[in-house]
Amino acid sequence: EAQVTQNPRYLITVTGKKLTVTCSQNMNHEYMSWYRQDPGLGLRQIYYSMNVEVTDKGDVPEGYKVSRKEKRNFPLILESPSPNQTSLYFCASSNARYNEQFFGPGTRLTVL
Amino acid sequence: DAKTTQPPSMDCAEGRAANLPCNHSTISGNEYVYWYRQIHSQGPQYIIHGLKNNETNEMASLIITEDRKSSTLILPHATLRDTAVYYCIVRGTSGSRLTFGEGTQLTVNP
Repeated sequence: EAQVTQNPRYLITVTGKKLTVTCSQNMNHEYMSWYRQDPGLGLRQIYYSMNVEVTDKGDVPEGYKVSRKEKRNFPLILESPSPNQTSLYFCASSNARYNEQFFGPGTRLTVL
Repeated sequence: DAKTTQPPSMDCAEGRAANLPCNHSTISGNEYVYWYRQIHSQGPQYIIHGLKNNETNEMASLIITEDRKSSTLILPHATLRDTAVYYCIVRGTSGSRLTFGEGTQLTVNP
């Protein structure tokens, strides 16, 4: 089944403890991105990648890192999480920059 | 990308057609209209997109006015599972992101 998977689905952590949210897609898509969703602010793009080893900032990249060493994986790294990064995170992929995006199920992160 | 305006909420009876409007009066010639929906904090799901012609797929129809300043998403026979937030997005070729607004909360009632 074609899908985008994210892990973990739920995470509660404390300020400053490094964490990684994994994202993987099995559709051989070149394009992947991360979004966060907050009440009243909609979905905002954090980072995106147009192919292996090619990443760029989205609208709200501060406090996040990403890497794209393999085509299928696009992990989101929070080196020192803070409470304002408490949010619902979505990974998405598509086979080209402007084609329909397939979204993962989401990761609900709480930073205490 | 052009800004879109949607009603915050709509109701529809099960089995009837749901018509969701979207205004995008500042749309430019190379910008597409996309529709996604999100069911209760799940990942958004692509529905349909179009440039200027009307489009139809297995999920919905998209009607774009001739001046392209507005569009309507039609779910021909709404079911309870269609209850979701529907997002109308105008997307050009200058950016890589989907800019989601607040969308329309569609509630399908039995």
